Amino acid sequence: RKEVEQDPGPFNVPEGATVAFNCTYSNSASQSFFWYRQDCRKEPKLLMSVYSSGNEDGRFTAQLNRASQYISLLIRDSKLSDSATYLCVVPLTGGGNKLTFGTGTQLKVEL
Amino acid sequence: DTGVSQNPRHKITKRGQNVTFRCDPISEHNRLYWYRQTLGQGPEFLTYFQNEAQLEKSRLLSDRFSAERPKGSFSTLEIQRTEQGDSAMYLCAIAGAGNTGELFFGEGSRLTVL
Repeated sequence: RKEVEQDPGPFNVPEGATVAFNCTYSNSASQSFFWYRQDCRKEPKLLMSVYSSGNEDGRFTAQLNRASQYISLLIRDSKLSDSATYLCVVPLTGGGNKLTFGTGTQLKVEL
Repeated sequence: DTGVSQNPRHKITKRGQNVTFRCDPISEHNRLYWYRQTLGQGPEFLTYFQNEAQLEKSRLLSDRFSAERPKGSFSTLEIQRTEQGDSAMYLCAIAGAGNTGELFFGEGSRLTVL
């Protein structure tokens, strides 16, 4: 099993729609999780951190299910500017801020 | 502005040539990371430095790859005898404050090996 697995998409949704991405991870000892956003041909940037059961920031909600070892990202009222690749990220063992990135889920928000 | 400058931004080279990438954090940061990203994949960890000490290297970092951070500030990543499979975006990152898991990436150096 890969350390982090995501559906690569693309997810094509109309503006205003609600969309959810799931991510599964293999290391049951992981304590913290992250969603990064990556625009086309740009560097990844932190979107949200998830340390307990979940986190909410405006239109974005991240949830964690430790029993099933998956993390989700929900985007409500999607905007054209939300079009990007969303990377699920789990720390590598050994600390030091080393991160394992999923392959990313591509989102395209259309008019 | 991510606080991390990388150059060159693009490099096209022929197979077998050596290439070197440089990463300059704008301010002092203890921890500096190198990642590689190929098309359709997420970034993959290569190596990281705590000040000038290289603390860990991924098994992805073959003996053709060498990274240095001589004064604990800028870092270089050299690839010797490049192969077509080395074509990728090479990303440098610095850690955010504390152990939050946040990395600030530079814009990357894109390598194309012909």
